[in-house]
Formats: sequence, structure tokens, C-alpha cells
Amino acid sequence: AQRVTQPEKLLSVFKGAPVELKCNYSYSGSPELFWYVQYSRQRLQLLLRHISRESIKGFTADLNKGETSFHLKKPFAQEEDSAMYYCALRYQGAQKLVFGQGTRLTINP
Amino acid sequence: GAGVSQSPSNKVTEKGKDVELRCDPISGHTALYWYRQRLGQGLEFLIYFQGNSAPDKSGLPSDRFSAERTGESVSTLTIQRTQQEDSAVYLCASSLGGGRLPSYEQYFGPGTRLTVT
Repeated sequence: AQRVTQPEKLLSVFKGAPVELKCNYSYSGSPELFWYVQYSRQRLQLLLRHISRESIKGFTADLNKGETSFHLKKPFAQEEDSAMYYCALRYQGAQKLVFGQGTRLTINP
Repeated sequence: GAGVSQSPSNKVTEKGKDVELRCDPISGHTALYWYRQRLGQGLEFLIYFQGNSAPDKSGLPSDRFSAERTGESVSTLTIQRTQQEDSAVYLCASSLGGGRLPSYEQYFGPGTRLTVT
């Protein structure tokens, strides 16, 4: 079965430090990977998707099919990056998203 | 424009009672999804609608759970004979269509927090 694993439930880094949120998936086909973010008292929203190969709010994520990973990275964390981050996968032929358990990122001043 | 809306925002019910949760998708969105999020866990898929048909209901946990959708509009998720393990945040999302195009991004509602006592 398809699965998404985010090994860190909590991650705390200092402002200005690099941040990496890990995401691994299990799926043998061609996946579509996403990162969603939920800021305090806001709804879940799409941050970025691998097929767009974009950088949003300074975040990037590269799909590594060999390691089945889609880690989210930002070189210099900002306090407003504090939020809950979810990695999600959509496999071929499906419409639904399979989510990881999420990582709560806290940026300390 | 208006986003996905859900009602009620909070619902407390007694074990054994039935509950109805409502989702109003973004106008023009043909695809609608229901997810559930238990405390400390990720979102788990429940059901997907394309128009008013449900081609994927594989995530409904039991026959106590059902959902319907009127045309390409409102959807209701009904839980019969609620149990304590049904306590969760129920999230609805909608998208322009069911597919892989970037425009088919899923937009989420604020959720309904259900507590079964």
C-alpha cells in the first residue's frame, strides 16, 4: 500500500538556520508529491508540488526516486515559517491524497 | 472569492447519536473530497466525488459512514450511531476536476471538529 512517512513529529530550529523536513514514501509507480502547510488558526493550504519545480516562500523540495524521498528545505528559516507541515502523495490513477503524519516546525527567535 | 466552507465548525454529540456534517465547495469545482484527521495523526481519505457520483469511497471506515452530494454543490457526510473513535476533525476539499493538472489543486475547508462523548 502507498504510504508517506514523516519521521519527525517536532522540529525546532533557530531563525536564520537551515531547515529540512523529511518525507519518505512507498510507491513503486510514478508518484505526484506535495507539501501542505497549516499555519496557526488557518486552513490547510498547498505549499508546493514537485511537478512545478518551484520555490515558494523560499522553500524547495526535490523528488528523489532512488531514495523515495521528497524532503522540504529552506536555507534560512524565518519565524513566520512556524507551522504544521504535511507531505502528501497522489499515485497514478487516484484522485485522493495520502498524507504523512505531519511535522510541527517551530522557529525560535 | 469564497473558499470551501464547512458547518458546523464544532459538534459535540453523545455516543450512539447520528450526525451530519456539511461541506460547501468552491463554486465551479466538480471534485470534492472528505478526509478525517484524528488527534496527532495525518489526514486519512474517506471519499471522493466527481459531480454527484462517488467513484472512490474506499476510505469510509464502516457502513455507519455515508456521504452524498447534490450535483456539483453541497455534500453531506453522515455518521450513524457515533462512537468515541469517530472523534476527529473532518476536512472537506474541492478541486476544479479530478486529475493531475496543476489547476486541480485541492482547496481545503476549515474542518468540523467532532467530539463524541
